[in-house]
Amino acid sequence: GQQLNQSPQSMFIQEGEDVSMNCTSSSIFNTWLWYKQDPGEGPVLLIALYKAGELTSNGRLTAQFGITRKDSFLNISASIPSDVGIYFCAGLTNDYKLSFGAGTTVTVRA
Amino acid sequence: DTAVSQTPKYLVTQMGNDKSIKCEQNLGHDTMYWYKQDSKKFLKIMFSYNNKELIINETVPNRFSPKSPDKAHLNLHINSLELGDSAVYFCASSQGWTGGTEAFFGQGTRLTVV
Repeated sequence: GQQLNQSPQSMFIQEGEDVSMNCTSSSIFNTWLWYKQDPGEGPVLLIALYKAGELTSNGRLTAQFGITRKDSFLNISASIPSDVGIYFCAGLTNDYKLSFGAGTTVTVRA
Repeated sequence: DTAVSQTPKYLVTQMGNDKSIKCEQNLGHDTMYWYKQDSKKFLKIMFSYNNKELIINETVPNRFSPKSPDKAHLNLHINSLELGDSAVYFCASSQGWTGGTEAFFGQGTRLTVV
C-alpha cells in the first residue's frame, strides 16, 4: 500500500483543548477516512471524505480533504477524557487499496 | 447486535501449529477483509474478498489461506505458525469492493505464538 505520514505520533492534551492531527502522502487519494481505535477494540470510522476541499463534521470532530488530494487533517474541539485512543487516517487509491497511517495516540490530561 | 464478529478474541498457540480465525458480518455487505496490526499498531491489509471471490491478496506468506464460504463469512487459516505471526488480526466488511471505503471492523483476534 501507499505510505501515509501521520503526525504527530502521539499527543498529550488538556481537557477542553482543541487539537489537530494530519496525514500527508506523496500519492493522490480518492477518499480519505479517519478512524479511532480504543484499547482492545477494532477501528471505528469517524469521518469519510470523498471530494477535494471537502470539510465534514461529526460532533466535535472536523476533518478536511486537502485540495491537492494528498493530505487531510482531523480536528477535535473541546477534548474530553473519552477522546483517548489511537486515531488513524486512511486513504483509498485508484487500485482500491486502503492504506493506513501509523496512528496518533491521544492521551488526555485531566 | 454485533456487526462484524470474530472468534476467538484471544489465541495463544505454539510454533508449528495450524489455527483458524472466524469472521462473520450481519451487515449485508459484499466485501470482507483481513487486516494485520503489528506491535507498533500499523494496520496492513492482507486479503479482500468480494462476493466470495478473492480481490486483493497482498504479499502474505502462503501459510495464510482465507476461505469465504458465503458473503457473510471470511475465515483465515494459518498453517505452521511462526513467532512473527504474533499480531492482532482484524476482519472488516464494506459495501462494494472499493478496497475498504467505510469499512466496519471487528474487535480483533490477538494471536500470540510461543
